[in-house]
Amino acid sequence: DAKTTQPPSMDCAEGRAANLPCNHSTISGNEYVYWYRQIHSQGPQYIIHGLKNNETNEMASLIITEDRKSSTLILPHATLRDTAVYYCIVRPLTSGGYQKVTFGTGTKLQVIP
Amino acid sequence: NAGVTQTPKFRVLKTGQSMTLLCAQDMNHEYMYWYRQDPGMGLRLIHYSVGEGTTAKGEVPDGYNVSRLKKQNFLLGLESAAPSQTSVYFCASSQTGRYNEQFFGPGTRLTVL
Repeated sequence: DAKTTQPPSMDCAEGRAANLPCNHSTISGNEYVYWYRQIHSQGPQYIIHGLKNNETNEMASLIITEDRKSSTLILPHATLRDTAVYYCIVRPLTSGGYQKVTFGTGTKLQVIP
Repeated sequence: NAGVTQTPKFRVLKTGQSMTLLCAQDMNHEYMYWYRQDPGMGLRLIHYSVGEGTTAKGEVPDGYNVSRLKKQNFLLGLESAAPSQTSVYFCASSQTGRYNEQFFGPGTRLTVL
């Protein structure tokens, strides 16, 4: 899996957009970018994934640069419940076999009232 | 759907004792995983299973055994607990296929004295 680099922590005001960056400069052409989050004392939760186009779902948006060397997870209107550790992961598309998912140490997002 | 459930939620063991952690999923997923999470270390894969009756070693398998006798259950055993196994244990499951996002349980907090 390609290595990812994330800032260890970030703050965001409640109601504002939270933009979480991730660098993955060694990403391969067949590797997807995944985001998970882990709220304190809970199991990680899948958020979104993408290959090269921007993606949006009910939780967040994912913006991937044209060269795919970095991406940004956007929480459009952060709430206190979004306070969590956010993990950026890159891994190849699977053909059905097992693919290892490596969780780094992530970014601790603190949403401030 | 209950998703992924783990039993027990908390446990305290003495060195040398044995125990089994139970993971159950009701999503008919083929793949199941056991991770441990230690402060500052992120998630590390202990063992995984790609189907009923199969198991494989992950990154940190020593001191643990697993069994997948039924598709919906994945058991993690500690035969002789050591203080180094004090951790939070997460179970996860995923479907086969290209994207393979993992669904996590709530975790089991284990302390070995």
